[in-house]
Amino acid sequence: DIVMTQSHKFMSTSVGDRVSITCKASQDVSTAVAWYQQKPGQSPKLLIYWASTRHTGVPDRFTGSGSGTDYTLTISSVQAEDLALYYCQQHYSTALTFGAGTKLELK
Amino acid sequence: EVQLVESGGGLVKPGGSLKLSCAASGFAFSSYDMSWVRQTPEKRLEWVAYISSGGGSTYYPDTVKGRFTISRDNAKNTLYLQMSSLKSEDTAMYYCASQGAMITWFAYWGQGTLVTVSA
Repeated sequence: DIVMTQSHKFMSTSVGDRVSITCKASQDVSTAVAWYQQKPGQSPKLLIYWASTRHTGVPDRFTGSGSGTDYTLTISSVQAEDLALYYCQQHYSTALTFGAGTKLELK
Repeated sequence: EVQLVESGGGLVKPGGSLKLSCAASGFAFSSYDMSWVRQTPEKRLEWVAYISSGGGSTYYPDTVKGRFTISRDNAKNTLYLQMSSLKSEDTAMYYCASQGAMITWFAYWGQGTLVTVSA
């Protein structure tokens, strides 16, 4: 199975900062990467698919990028409501797999 | 508005069985592929089953293959997950989710139902 590695379990930020969350695949996944946001007590919500396509209703401060094995979710100006868990997922292989998650916290 | 409402979770002993349901509304359920995804107490996400819109194709990861069965009733707008030979490592919150396109990303998620496998 393809392993998705989010090397930062936690990231500290301040409101208004630009922050980038990274994800590395164990093999080339040809931009078949999705990103999800999960707030406490809620189910995950889709933000991005095909590495850079925003899901319906997702604010444009969320941008996805990357190719090959390396992918990034960038929040251009962090808002208080963006403090959450973020997961990447590959949809290149039918054995769908997720990263372990990165928790975005206030400094 | 897309709504997915899971039910059927609970406490079950190792080796036992449980059937989860997911009631869908607000979209053309019969036109969408669906999956079940679980989240462990450690917050790890794991995809556990996929079914095509018509029910003719199913996929499972090796961790649950032969123990879990996904099915759907398009007339009732309901998705199911039959789980058997349950193990402690199956303890998790189980979410149903609509697929974006075939076996790809998960566009919409329910609120989840908790399954605890313990003696």
